[in-house]
Amino acid sequence: NAGVTQTPKFQVLKTGQSMTLQCAQDMNHEYMSWYRQDPGMGLRLIHYSVGAGITDQGEVPNGYNVSRSTTEDFPLRLLSAAPSQTSVYFCASSREKGTLYGYTFGSGTRLTVV
Amino acid sequence: ILNVEQSPQSLHVQEGDSTNFTCSFPSSNFYALHWYRWETAKSPEALFVMTLNGDEKKKGRISATLNTKEGYSYLYIKGSQPEDSATYLCAFNGRGNQFYFGTGTSLTVIP
Repeated sequence: NAGVTQTPKFQVLKTGQSMTLQCAQDMNHEYMSWYRQDPGMGLRLIHYSVGAGITDQGEVPNGYNVSRSTTEDFPLRLLSAAPSQTSVYFCASSREKGTLYGYTFGSGTRLTVV
Repeated sequence: ILNVEQSPQSLHVQEGDSTNFTCSFPSSNFYALHWYRWETAKSPEALFVMTLNGDEKKKGRISATLNTKEGYSYLYIKGSQPEDSATYLCAFNGRGNQFYFGTGTSLTVIP
């Protein structure tokens, strides 16, 4: 049982480049979300999805796109990377809104934009 | 965007001491409150999910209480051990689909 798998673990991008952070879960969880973690800021929600085909914005969605074509996958796209997007990114999933079971987090992707 | 505050920001205790931290959240439109333990270089792991006013949860030496009317939750660790060293996060869920995390309390237990 792999849980939540994030790839890559580390990435360095140049300003203006694009990339996709991958997130996959094998627990048949309906709810998936992306957070970024910055020093002194805690975890901030970027985008989330309550099921395949349904996505919505979180607190800090600008500069990021998501899609949810299957229950298992929830990729996060950076269209034109900026230094302000340097952060650690976590994907999390839950059976539903997390009310009873809590979230399962991936191991994180450390992104540096130069 | 809602304000979820945790205090203290960091804490150093001696092995064997008991300690507690606070999570404050909006008292209106409460749906759930989560506690997570986050060790360095790992991912956050769920400790407790609390939904009812007056809830008390316990896992080994760690316990938590919830007061939704006044908007706070306490996390207690009895007889702290070095392996308890971690950042403890709380997350508030209102009536919508979003969770708001606090910035965490960093606990260091000194052997």
